[in-house]
Amino acid sequence: SYELTQPLSVSVALGQTARITCGGNNIGSKNVHWYQQKPGQAPVLVIYRDSNRPSGIPERFSGSNSGNTATLTISRAQAGDEADYYCQVWDSSGVFGGGTKLTVL
Amino acid sequence: QVQLVESGGGVVQPGGSLRLSCAASGFTFSSYGMHWVRQAPGKGLEWVAFIRYDGSNKYYADSVKGRFTISRDNSKNTLYLQMNSLRAEDTAVYYCAKSDCSSTSCYAGKNYFDYWGQGTLVTVSS
Repeated sequence: SYELTQPLSVSVALGQTARITCGGNNIGSKNVHWYQQKPGQAPVLVIYRDSNRPSGIPERFSGSNSGNTATLTISRAQAGDEADYYCQVWDSSGVFGGGTKLTVL
Repeated sequence: QVQLVESGGGVVQPGGSLRLSCAASGFTFSSYGMHWVRQAPGKGLEWVAFIRYDGSNKYYADSVKGRFTISRDNSKNTLYLQMNSLRAEDTAVYYCAKSDCSSTSCYAGKNYFDYWGQGTLVTVSS
């Protein structure tokens, strides 16, 4: 079965750029989606099909996907961006990465 | 606006059964695929099951195959998850989620979760 690998944690200084990676075998050939989950809340879609933002998601959130790595980039990080972030693909079944905890310092 | 409201969670003994429901509103329910996703306490997200817009195809995670059944009633705008032979490791918050996979367009790149319910907690314990 297909597997996605994320770092357990990423830290970023307030106002700087955070990058969260999602590794998978030839993941560049798949569509990757990203979710943000804050404590006690349901996940929220922040990026779909590699680089598309749903309405209501700030332009500070962007995504890319190539080779064996997809990346979620959060520019001008804010305290409100602190959350767990999950990548996901569909490979005849739903597959999630293990999640990355983003800390804004 | 899209609303998904889960119900039916609770405490059940190992080996027992439970049926979850998800009431949908704010979109044409009968035109979209739907998922169940779960999250064990303090753990990450785990996809559970997917059903196409008309119920014609269903997909399951290996961990629940043969024990769980996903279904839908488009006349009631409701999604279900019948859970049998429950185990301690099934303890989790269960979310229903809408797919962008529709009656007119469905491919891998559209099978993501664009709207989520608030979840219902299932605890399997004696």
